[in-house]
Amino acid sequence: AQKITQTQPGMFVQEKEAVTLDCTYDTSDQSYGLFWYKQPSSGEMIFLIYQGSYDEQNATEGRYSLNFQKARKSANLVISASQLGDSAMYFCAMRPFSNYQLIWGAGTKLIIKP
Amino acid sequence: DADVTQTPRNRITKTGKRIMLECSQTKGHDRMYWYRQDPGLGLQLIYYSFDVKDINKGEISDGYSVSRQAQAKFSLSLESAIPNQTALYFCATSGPTSGGTDTQYFGPGTRLTVL
Repeated sequence: AQKITQTQPGMFVQEKEAVTLDCTYDTSDQSYGLFWYKQPSSGEMIFLIYQGSYDEQNATEGRYSLNFQKARKSANLVISASQLGDSAMYFCAMRPFSNYQLIWGAGTKLIIKP
Repeated sequence: DADVTQTPRNRITKTGKRIMLECSQTKGHDRMYWYRQDPGLGLQLIYYSFDVKDINKGEISDGYSVSRQAQAKFSLSLESAIPNQTALYFCATSGPTSGGTDTQYFGPGTRLTVL
């Protein structure tokens, strides 16, 4: 079965600290892509970062990086130097390359404290 | 201008009414998707289309229909709205211009309330 698990329903982090949001996945496909999206309280869904299963290096995009551990089937999002504007829901998603459908996790609500 | 637009942004309707949600994109993508998000939950795929002549059901297509009028336009209809279809609806697009990752880019969403 194809599945994404985000075990942290909610997190509180002090401003300027780094934060790690957990994501584990299950798939029988050898090739797949992993995505993180941010959903602020305004509701839009914003693409943050992508990691391919064959990428040897962890993906980075500005303050976002993806800690990809293929053997453990984990794809944790790391946000460095958190800011108040990082408060949002964060969703992990996976696309097995055998189809074009995204499989979504339930999300983690991140709150940054001043 | 936004690459993926959705109209209307908010809609309140009554049980039994027919509703159409529209999505347009200027990203040049060939693949388009409709999702539903219930409060506090992740996204569920309703329908997806790989081109104008290719439309596929997602995991929760019952009670919904779609039309792909052109490469850039994909509409979602609720033939007879019911209260449990109250949700946030997203359109998304993806395609070869996504850098080979087939990243999906989302519209701003439509908040639909069925009374």
